[in-house]
Amino acid sequence: LAKTTQPISMDSYEGQEVNITCSHNNIATNDYITWYQQFPSQGPRFIIQGYKTKVTNEVASLFIPADRKSSTLSLPRVSLSDTAVYYCLVGDRVNDMRFGAGTRLTVKP
Amino acid sequence: DGGITQSPKYLFRKEGQNVTLSCEQNLNHDAMYWYRQDPGQGLRLIYYSQIVNDFQKGDIAEGYSVSREKKESFPLTVTSAQKNPTAFYLCASSIEATYEQYFGPGTRLTVT
Repeated sequence: LAKTTQPISMDSYEGQEVNITCSHNNIATNDYITWYQQFPSQGPRFIIQGYKTKVTNEVASLFIPADRKSSTLSLPRVSLSDTAVYYCLVGDRVNDMRFGAGTRLTVKP
Repeated sequence: DGGITQSPKYLFRKEGQNVTLSCEQNLNHDAMYWYRQDPGQGLRLIYYSQIVNDFQKGDIAEGYSVSREKKESFPLTVTSAQKNPTAFYLCASSIEATYEQYFGPGTRLTVT
C-alpha cells in the first residue's frame, strides 16, 4: 500500500499557477495516481488520473517523473473558487483507496 | 439529469437507534461505495459493492451494514453497535471498481 505525503496547506493568489506535489516513494508497478478536490460539506470531485509522464484535461495537469516516486498537480490561473482541499491517492484496488488529510489550498484575491 | 443522490442531508438520532442512509444513482454504474469522513480528516472506506447482491467490507465496516438489491441503490445502516456514529457519510459510484468515482452530496449524521 503506497503511502502518500502532501503539504498540509498552501496559499496562492488569483491568476497564479499552483503546483501541489505528492510524494509516494513506495508506489507499486500497477498503481495509478489520482487527485480529488473537495469543498467544505461536499463530496470529493475527481480531477485527474495518470500513470506516467503528463496528463492534461480541461481542469488540471498531472506531471509524473520517470521514477514515479512523486507527482505534481498543476492548476493553471487559479480563482477564489479553487479554494478547497486536494487529495492525492495512489493505488489500483478500491479497497486500498486511501484519502489522507490532503492539502488545503487557499486562494486569495 | 444523471447523478448520485443521498438523503437526507442532515439526520439526527438518539444513541441506541439504528438509522439507514439512502444512496441512489442513475449513472448505470456497477460499483458503489460508502465512506465516512470525520472533521479535518480524509475519507475512510466502510463498504463497497462491485455488483448487485455482492459487497465487501472496507477499513471500518464494524457497526455498519449494507445491501445491494438493485443496481441503483446502496443503502447504509448505521447500527447501535457503531461506537462513534456521528460523522459525514459519503456515497460514491463508478463504472467499475476504479479510483475514478463520483460522489454524492453526503449525509451529516449526528447521534446524541
